Amino acid sequence: DAKTTQPPSMDCAEGRAANLPCNHSTISGNEYVYWYRQIHSQGPQYIIHGLKNNETNEMASLIITEDRKSSTLILPHATLRDTAVYYCIVSLIQGAQKLVFGQGTRLTINP
Amino acid sequence: IAGITQAPTSQILAAGRRMTLRCTQDMRHNAMYWYRQDLGLGLRLIHYSNTAGTTGKGEVPDGYSVSRANTDDFPLTLASAVPSQTSVYFCASSDSASGRRGEQFFGPGTRLTVL
Repeated sequence: DAKTTQPPSMDCAEGRAANLPCNHSTISGNEYVYWYRQIHSQGPQYIIHGLKNNETNEMASLIITEDRKSSTLILPHATLRDTAVYYCIVSLIQGAQKLVFGQGTRLTINP
Repeated sequence: IAGITQAPTSQILAAGRRMTLRCTQDMRHNAMYWYRQDLGLGLRLIHYSNTAGTTGKGEVPDGYSVSRANTDDFPLTLASAVPSQTSVYFCASSDSASGRRGEQFFGPGTRLTVL
């Protein structure tokens, strides 16, 4: 699976959009981009995933560049409860999804 | 039960003892996973199971064994615990047969300390 690079930490003001970048320059054509988050001490929570088109759900939007070498997770109106570690993961969709978690980005939402 | 449950919530264990961490899901997901998370680090995959009756090794399988006798349960066993196995253990499941495959659901974790 391709490796991802994320900034170790970011801050965002409450109510503003949080934009979390991820580089995955070695991604292969059939690998998807996944985003998970982990709120302190809890199990990770799935947010969104995509292949090449931009995706949106009730939690976030995922913007993938045309060359697929990077992506951005957007939380449109961040709240204090969005403070968490966010993981960008690249993986094939297969029977058992063997996710490789890096160290992620620690996002702090400030009041 | 809704989702994934893990037991125990936490455990302190003497080195050399045998320990089984339990994981049960009620979503009828075919795939299940065990991860460990050490302080300040991301999760690492220990073992996984694509479907009942099959298991596979992840990134850090040494010292651990799993079994998948049925769809719902996926216990993780430490045959002889060592201090380096002190960690938080997360169980997860996914439905690889549906349009939501790739989305893993995680349990609340088991905090294990081996002394």
